[in-house]
Amino acid sequence: AQSVTQLDSHVSVSEGTPVLLRCNYSSSYSPSLFWYVQHPNKGLQLLLKYTSAATLVKGINGFEAEFKKSETSFHLTKPSAHMSDAAEYFCVVSDSNSGYALNFGKGTSLLVTP
Amino acid sequence: SQTIHQWPATLVQPVGSPLSLECTVEGTSNPNLYWYRQAAGRGLQLLFYSVGIGQISSEVPQNLSASRPQDRQFILSSKKLLLSDSGFYLCAWSVHAGGYNEQFFGPGTRLTVL
Repeated sequence: AQSVTQLDSHVSVSEGTPVLLRCNYSSSYSPSLFWYVQHPNKGLQLLLKYTSAATLVKGINGFEAEFKKSETSFHLTKPSAHMSDAAEYFCVVSDSNSGYALNFGKGTSLLVTP
Repeated sequence: SQTIHQWPATLVQPVGSPLSLECTVEGTSNPNLYWYRQAAGRGLQLLFYSVGIGQISSEVPQNLSASRPQDRQFILSSKKLLLSDSGFYLCAWSVHAGGYNEQFFGPGTRLTVL
């Protein structure tokens, strides 16, 4: 069975400083991994996805994530935080054994201070 | 381009009352459709998914039901709401090509059961 663990429930950064949101996964098969962002009372928006192509994945709004199989990690980074990045971020895993299910982490709340 | 609509955006209902939430997708045909619930401070829980008209799979047994009367319409219902049904309900769609593909989410419905 696959699972995903977001290591921090809350992360606080200052505007203009780097962002690191950590995610570890477990999967018995070649996984697909996603990061979604959710602003308050909104739906989820796909930031980026990894599906066995390049291990460094670039997404929207300057975010990127690196798939590290040896560490079973898929951390989300951004060089410089903007106030508009404040939101909830979800790491998601899916594999050939999961059928139609996406397995969501519990989320990391990103706070950006001026 | 594809768009997904949900309504209503917010809903306050008394315990024991019925529920009907609607989701429609535009710009694609024969999508997979999904209903998720997001409780406060928790991740997303898959409730139902559908791979075609009239085909519904339930992931979590409870007092909710789902129906797909048309290709791009997905309805979440209950005959009698419970307090525990409060939450943020999200509809999503994906291409009809297995479980690897990312899902695209609607804006959500905030349900409060009093």
